[in-house]
Amino acid sequence: NAGVTQTPKFRILKIGQSMTLQCTQDMNHNYMYWYRQDPGMGLKLIYYSVGAGITDKGEVPNGYNVSRSTTEDFPLRLELAAPSQTSVYFCASSYGPTGNSNQPQHFGDGTRLSIL
Amino acid sequence: AQKITQTQPGMFVQEKEAVTLDCTYDTSDPSYGLFWYKQPSSGEMIFLIYQGSYDQQNATEGRYSLNFQKARKSANLVISASQLGDSAMYFCAMTLYAGKSTFGDGTTLTVKP
Repeated sequence: NAGVTQTPKFRILKIGQSMTLQCTQDMNHNYMYWYRQDPGMGLKLIYYSVGAGITDKGEVPNGYNVSRSTTEDFPLRLELAAPSQTSVYFCASSYGPTGNSNQPQHFGDGTRLSIL
Repeated sequence: AQKITQTQPGMFVQEKEAVTLDCTYDTSDPSYGLFWYKQPSSGEMIFLIYQGSYDQQNATEGRYSLNFQKARKSANLVISASQLGDSAMYFCAMTLYAGKSTFGDGTTLTVKP
């Protein structure tokens, strides 16, 4: 029972490099999310998707891009890495609209990204 | 825009005692869900309890209960009979019907033996 799988677990990038954080879920969830968590802080929503082909910006989308071509996959792209993007990135998924229904988000283990 | 406020950066509780972690929220949307998650030092996010905006009764899940006061826009988490394994960071979160989610900055709970 894999749940939400994120790869890689750790990565070090140089300023200006690009990379894609992978996220896949095997629970047939419609909703998927990307968050970043800075040290000692809460999670900030970067982008989310309510289904294949549909994405929307969260609180901190600048410097990131996403796509959702399938229900299972929701990759996060960093085009020009900056030191401010050093963080732990979490991908999450849920079955349906979580407002006013008990559909908690299931989280991956996170990707620890350092940009030097 | 929605907002979650957790005013207690750190809390201490004696083992076997109860503790309340505070959470206030702000939204103009009438339909929302409130969630509490636990993040141990290992880093994973664990769902604890849910409360819907239209729910009439406070949610309970084992040793966890949610004190939901809609008029005050508060959704405090109560942990009864604290255990050493409860030491972790706790996050309050709100999700609107369209899926957009907001998390608080968290409260670090330390359970003393």
